[in-house]
Amino acid sequence: GAVVSQHPSRVICKSGTSVKIECRSLDFQATTMFWYRQFPKQSLMLMATSNEGSKATYEQGVEKDKFLINHASLTLSTLTVTSAHPEDSSFYICSAREQSTGSRETQYFGPGTRLLVL
Amino acid sequence: AQTVTQSQPEMSVQEAETVTLSCTYDTSESNYYLFWYKQPPSRQMILVIRQEAYKQQNATENRFSVNFQKAAKSFSLKISDSQLGDTAMYFCAFHSGSARQLTFGSGTQLTVLP
Repeated sequence: GAVVSQHPSRVICKSGTSVKIECRSLDFQATTMFWYRQFPKQSLMLMATSNEGSKATYEQGVEKDKFLINHASLTLSTLTVTSAHPEDSSFYICSAREQSTGSRETQYFGPGTRLLVL
Repeated sequence: AQTVTQSQPEMSVQEAETVTLSCTYDTSESNYYLFWYKQPPSRQMILVIRQEAYKQQNATENRFSVNFQKAAKSFSLKISDSQLGDTAMYFCAFHSGSARQLTFGSGTQLTVLP
């Protein structure tokens, strides 16, 4: 099956610093990637949709200047949490949708990144 | 707007027995896809099974099968011969033909007891 990697798996940073999270589709091309945030024992909350070569589409209530998304290639999207604060501490998950029409609607998920801001 | 409802926050089942997780959804679209994902303690989201709405036959993947009732907008997951490794949070998800993103239910925490 399709594999999505995410790096780092865990990061601890000081308040005010920026953190970059990478999401890669390893064995397929993904024109669209998604970034989610998940709080403990809750469902996934979509933050933004990342399209290769164009600007990301942010969900209502998500600050685009705080959560910078770049989708530079068909296999890589990055999420940068700028000037992180303790309230940004969370579990961030990316997913990728395969480009081929056969499984276009199926999203494959990365293993997630646990961010702790001190 | 589409909504997905999972009315069972927690469930448990004895090892080797069968359990059914319920999911209902609401949509006005005719072309859509339904998914069950599991999230074990590692928190890696894993695709369990998918169903295209235009297919009448229920999807099956080994011990996992669905009961897709389109008219009732119901999409339940049946796990047969439950194993300890099935312990996870299970999310039902919906993707319409026109939307670009998944809509998730609130999840059901399933615990398989030895």
